[in-house]
Amino acid sequence: AQSVAQPEDQVNVAEGNPLTVKCTYSVSGNPYLFWYVQYPNRGLQFLLKYITGDNLVKGSYGFEAEFNKSQTSFHLKKPSALVSDSALYFCAVRPGSGGYNKLIFGAGTRLAVHP
Amino acid sequence: GAVVSQHPSRVICKSGTSVKIECRSLDFQATTMFWYRQFPKQSLMLMATSNEGSKATYEQGVEKDKFLINHASLTLSTLTVTSAHPEDSSFYICSARDASGSSYEQYFGPGTRLTVT
Repeated sequence: AQSVAQPEDQVNVAEGNPLTVKCTYSVSGNPYLFWYVQYPNRGLQFLLKYITGDNLVKGSYGFEAEFNKSQTSFHLKKPSALVSDSALYFCAVRPGSGGYNKLIFGAGTRLAVHP
Repeated sequence: GAVVSQHPSRVICKSGTSVKIECRSLDFQATTMFWYRQFPKQSLMLMATSNEGSKATYEQGVEKDKFLINHASLTLSTLTVTSAHPEDSSFYICSARDASGSSYEQYFGPGTRLTVT
């Protein structure tokens, strides 16, 4: 079965420190990979995507993510966390084959940045 | 950028009544819209894929007679929760795919919180 795993329910980091939110996937074909952020009672905001090309992609608000095909991972990173980054983060994958219009979401990781 | 709106943003209804949620693409045409459901502290679960001018495709386990979807135009899809019950209380989010853009781009609405009393 195709799936996306975010192994950490919550990540805690001090403001100014680097952060990493992990994501691994198991889907068919060459997937398209996405990160979204959700603030309380709001919809999803797009952060970044990987389609092809350079494995390191840069997105909104200083976030970046690295695609690692051998490890089937797409971890979200930021060099210096802000308190305002505290939110719920979702990794999503569009399979490369079969139901290609659909997005499969991970369970989400709550990021808490402490002053 | 592409904007998707949802109306209402929150609704409270009594058990047994029906509720309609609208999803609109404001500045682009959407041949395909997606409806998701999100329980507290959980991920988004795809309920159905709505295609303009044709019947929606429902995911396994989603009752099509309970969650009626209509995609009558390229900018509007509606989800009607019929005979709502407290267990239908949830956060419903729609997304839309730009017909003129890349096939993988989905733009998400702000969500609708449904509470059934």
